[in-house]
Amino acid sequence: GQQLNQSPQSMFIQEGEDVSMNCTSSSIFNTWLWYKQDPGEGPVLLIALYKAGELTSNGRLTAQFGITRKDSFLNISASIPSDVGIYFCAGPTGNRDDKIIFGKGTRLHILP
Amino acid sequence: NAGVTQTPKFRILKIGQSMTLQCTQDMNHNYMYWYRQDPGMGLKLIYYSVGAGITDKGEVPNGYNVSRSTTEDFPLRLELAAPSQTSVYFCASSMRMLAGKYFGAGTRLSVL
Repeated sequence: GQQLNQSPQSMFIQEGEDVSMNCTSSSIFNTWLWYKQDPGEGPVLLIALYKAGELTSNGRLTAQFGITRKDSFLNISASIPSDVGIYFCAGPTGNRDDKIIFGKGTRLHILP
Repeated sequence: NAGVTQTPKFRILKIGQSMTLQCTQDMNHNYMYWYRQDPGMGLKLIYYSVGAGITDKGEVPNGYNVSRSTTEDFPLRLELAAPSQTSVYFCASSMRMLAGKYFGAGTRLSVL
């Protein structure tokens, strides 16, 4: 079936560094959703993208809807310790909610 | 704001036992969902509901049942627990289909 491939799977960075991660699909998406999951918690929606080429920011986070509609990117600027967690991309492959799929996540670690 | 509340937070079951995972939301959302998350994986949709009295299967419904008698509550029932159902279960709700979802904190279930 369809899959969302997130890259990288895991990142180790220094506090203050910028972070980039991406999500790709073999099929076209009309919506991209980015979530963050803190340890022991449920995912929290960070950014939603609805149009190809759209660039949306939420504080230090910026996400882009790729123009091919098969990818999306999430950037975090000037990382801080509370950015640690798992970042998931998700999107609907159809008009029905049972077609929303999630990537396996990018796990962000911040080195002291 | 309570948001989405799940109980219990942790549970250990023996093979063949039954249990109900409770989920309630106070945001008056019509759409509610149950996901499971296995280690290192994204979330997979078990069941969802578009409103009171209406439920539908997601990607991995086998071994589970749901009901939606009120807008607020969406319990998930495991009838005959199996080791393959060891997972973290998340309930979520949203205002619109395909919109970003609000997740509960999760129920960690082990079947031994």
